[in-house]
Amino acid sequence: AQSVTQLDSQVPVFEEAPVELRCNYSSSVSVYLFWYVQYPNQGLQLLLKYLSGSTLVKGINGFEAEFKKSETSFHLTKPSAHMSDAAEYFCAVSDPVGSNYKLTFGKGTLLTVNP
Amino acid sequence: DTEVTQTPKHLVMGMTNKKSLKCEQHMGHRAMYWYKQKAKKPPELMFVYSYEKLSINESVPSRFSPECPNSSLLNLHLHALQPEDSALYLCASSQEFPSNGQETQYFGPGTRLLVL
Repeated sequence: AQSVTQLDSQVPVFEEAPVELRCNYSSSVSVYLFWYVQYPNQGLQLLLKYLSGSTLVKGINGFEAEFKKSETSFHLTKPSAHMSDAAEYFCAVSDPVGSNYKLTFGKGTLLTVNP
Repeated sequence: DTEVTQTPKHLVMGMTNKKSLKCEQHMGHRAMYWYKQKAKKPPELMFVYSYEKLSINESVPSRFSPECPNSSLLNLHLHALQPEDSALYLCASSQEFPSNGQETQYFGPGTRLLVL
């Protein structure tokens, strides 16, 4: 089964500082990777996804991620954090289940933004 | 419109009660999902419906009973729950299932359930 690892359970940053949230995946022939954000008391919203092609993926709210096969990583970055970015961030992988796929999530990283 | 709606937002129930959670989407998606999310944990898949038929049951206890009356509506019937079933229950939908692994899942805001 596919899996993703988010090593950082919490990442504190100051407002306007750069953000990096780390995600590593288990190696596979083909892999589809996603970043979701969950604001307090809300559902999950897709930030971006990597399916194929360009390894630098741009998403919503100024976030981007780079797929690095050699490092089995898919880290999420943003040049400048806003207070509104404070949320839980989940990396996820499409995990084959028989002939189907399901989303398997990492444990999540809580991003806190300090003024 | 990429909205998935869920009702109720909050639910408190006793262990002998019967209640239902409702999920609705009008995006024409043919796959709908139920997830359970405990505090400070990632969502865990419970069920997947594809074209109104149950495709995946992740070994969920029978006190949780899903139902898909039509392609836009998904219910989760609850009966004789335990306090450890208290969690946020999320509904999601996607364009197709069987999936090719590339579809985006669109999530509702969830129902926060407390079992006393």
